Amino acid sequence: EADIYQTPRYLVIGTGKKITLECSQTMGHDKMYWYQQDPGMELHLIHYSYGVNSTEKGDLSSESTVSRIRTEHFPLTLESARPSHTSQYLCASRITSGETQYFGPGTRLLVL
Amino acid sequence: GNSVTQMEGPVTLSEEAFLTINCTYTATGYPSLFWYVQYPGEGLQLLLKATKADDKGSNKGFEATYRKETTSFHLEKGSVQVSDSAVYFCALRGNQGAQKLVFGQGTRLTINP
Repeated sequence: EADIYQTPRYLVIGTGKKITLECSQTMGHDKMYWYQQDPGMELHLIHYSYGVNSTEKGDLSSESTVSRIRTEHFPLTLESARPSHTSQYLCASRITSGETQYFGPGTRLLVL
Repeated sequence: GNSVTQMEGPVTLSEEAFLTINCTYTATGYPSLFWYVQYPGEGLQLLLKATKADDKGSNKGFEATYRKETTSFHLEKGSVQVSDSAVYFCALRGNQGAQKLVFGQGTRLTINP
């Protein structure tokens, strides 16, 4: 059983609000990832981190930002949410020496 | 770059039918291959994996064989159940560079009783 958590699970907010999606894992994994999943199901990597103080942009351009101050924590922030940000956001982690990437349950975001 | 192509969905079958979901890939080197499953309202879970050519991954009655000659990793199950209804993702991780997971577009499977 993977120990990776995301909060909130569901979020409905108005345009222009600042939001932070939380992701935490208790497995000591060094690598962490954020994916955006559109209604068509396709997954897009938007950010990743190889360890503390390391963050990189993913394959899909995103207006969100991330930080990695602690190994176990990888929050994603939107400074000013817009309806185009409506999506499901999935966090994942793995240890460098391991093959398996573990996913959190996701945050489903609706921006009105 | 690396890429994964999955069978177009959605796929609808009756209970106890045979399932195949096709997956082919393009990659340099020797990637590892994965099938992930996403049940409604949840994140992705690893279903099975194979790390080298001719390896067979298996779990919960599902199987997939890493075929380097055809660059394929098709998912099969002999007798599906209603509880297998989910979205299935084929993925690969290359063994060079950033080693990020590359996903296929997903196949939605619905099993009717």
